[in-house]
Amino acid sequence: AQSVTQLGSHVSVSEGALVLLRCNYSSSVPPYLFWYVQYPNQGLQLLLKYTSAATLVKGINGFEAEFKKSETSFHLTKPSAHMSDAAEYFCAVSAGNRDDKIIFGKGTRLHILP
Amino acid sequence: GAVVSQHPSWVICKSGTSVKIECRSLDFQATTMFWYRQFPKQSLMLMATSNEGSKATYEQGVEKDKFLINHASLTLSTLTVTSAHPEDSSFYICSAPDRGGGYGYTFGSGTRLTVV
Repeated sequence: AQSVTQLGSHVSVSEGALVLLRCNYSSSVPPYLFWYVQYPNQGLQLLLKYTSAATLVKGINGFEAEFKKSETSFHLTKPSAHMSDAAEYFCAVSAGNRDDKIIFGKGTRLHILP
Repeated sequence: GAVVSQHPSWVICKSGTSVKIECRSLDFQATTMFWYRQFPKQSLMLMATSNEGSKATYEQGVEKDKFLINHASLTLSTLTVTSAHPEDSSFYICSAPDRGGGYGYTFGSGTRLTVV
C-alpha cells in the first residue's frame, strides 16, 4: 500500500523567500510521486512528477522536487515565492502501474506574506 | 494534452433527490476513471475506481448503493449520488490515467455539490 504524509497543514513564507513544502512517502514498491496545486474551487494542476528517472524533478512555475529514497522524501521547493503561489498543495503517490490509483496527502496551505 | 471534461461544475439539489456527474475524456480513451471526494479544507479521498465495461471498485466505507458509478464507454464515466443528503455536499473530482507520452493523471475541473 502507498501513503504520503505532508508535514505542516499551513506554511507561511514572505514574498521572495524560499518555499519548502515537505512530503514523506511510504510504498511497498518503487513509487511514482506527484505534486499538485489547487486554487479555491478549482481542480488540480500538476506541478511535477517523479517516475523513476532523474531524482531532481523540475516542474512548472519554478517549482522543483528531489526524490530521496534514503529519506523516503519528495519535498517541493521554489527559490523565490510569489503572491500568486498562495494555494493548496498536495503530494501524491501511486504504485507506478499505468492504471493504479493515486493517493493524496492531506495538503499544505501555502500563505505568502507581503 | 489529454483533457477530462467534468459537468456540471456546480449543482444545488434538494434532499432526497439524485444528482448525476459526468466525466468525459475528450481526446483519449479512458478505460479507467477514479472518483474522488473533497470536503472543505481537506484532501481528496478516493471513493471508487471505475473500469469500462465492468463493475466499479469502491473504497472501504463508501456506499456503493448511494454512489452509483457507470463506465459504459471508453469516453464517459458517471457518478450518481442517489437520495442526496446535506452531508453529501462536497467537491467531487474525477481523474483518468493519461495515455499520452508521459505518465500521469488528468483531472476534471470538479463538481461542487450542495444539498439543501
